[in-house]
Amino acid sequence: SQKIEQNSEALNIQEGKTATLTCNYTNYSPAYLQWYRQDPGRGPVFLLLIRENEKEKRKERLKVTFDTTLKQSLFHITASQPADSATYLCALDRNNDMRFGAGTRLTVKP
Amino acid sequence: DSGVTQTPKHLITATGQRVTLRCSPRSGDLSVYWYQQSLDQGLQFLIQYYNGEERAKGNILERFSAQQFPDLHSELNLSSLELGDSALYFCASSGDSLGDTEAFFGQGTRLTVV
Repeated sequence: SQKIEQNSEALNIQEGKTATLTCNYTNYSPAYLQWYRQDPGRGPVFLLLIRENEKEKRKERLKVTFDTTLKQSLFHITASQPADSATYLCALDRNNDMRFGAGTRLTVKP
Repeated sequence: DSGVTQTPKHLITATGQRVTLRCSPRSGDLSVYWYQQSLDQGLQFLIQYYNGEERAKGNILERFSAQQFPDLHSELNLSSLELGDSALYFCASSGDSLGDTEAFFGQGTRLTVV
């Protein structure tokens, strides 16, 4: 069956460091992989989308990589800030069939 | 504002009852997803509709059902409610005519079963 795994439920890092979150998937061939941010009690908010033929995407302090051979995406937040503390979700999509991972809760300590 | 509207925002009901949650997708979006999120849990995919037809089904209980209407709004019906059904229910929409696939989430309906 299809499985999406986000390594580590929680990640704690110091302000200014780079946070790296992992998303692995099995039995799936997504056309797109997306990352979302969710704050407590709120709906997820879209951050970045990367297509299957793209290796890397950047947006301000965010960087996403997508390795379809390894079936893995890495999500990096550089120069992290306490305001980056949230849960980050990866989502896989093909033909508008979109499934989410369980998320990684990131805490950035001042 | 994501453009996705969910009503009601909060709902408190008793066990055994039936409720209907409503979602109006972003203008032009054909795809509607329903997710359940229990306390401190991840998003659990329930069901997806695309242009009025059921496209994919997740771990949706038989007591739950959904539909998407011709105007593309969607309703999630939860019946014979149990305490464990208390959760945040999110609706998301995606897939407008430009082919964008990012999803836009509503603010959720918080259901409390007492």
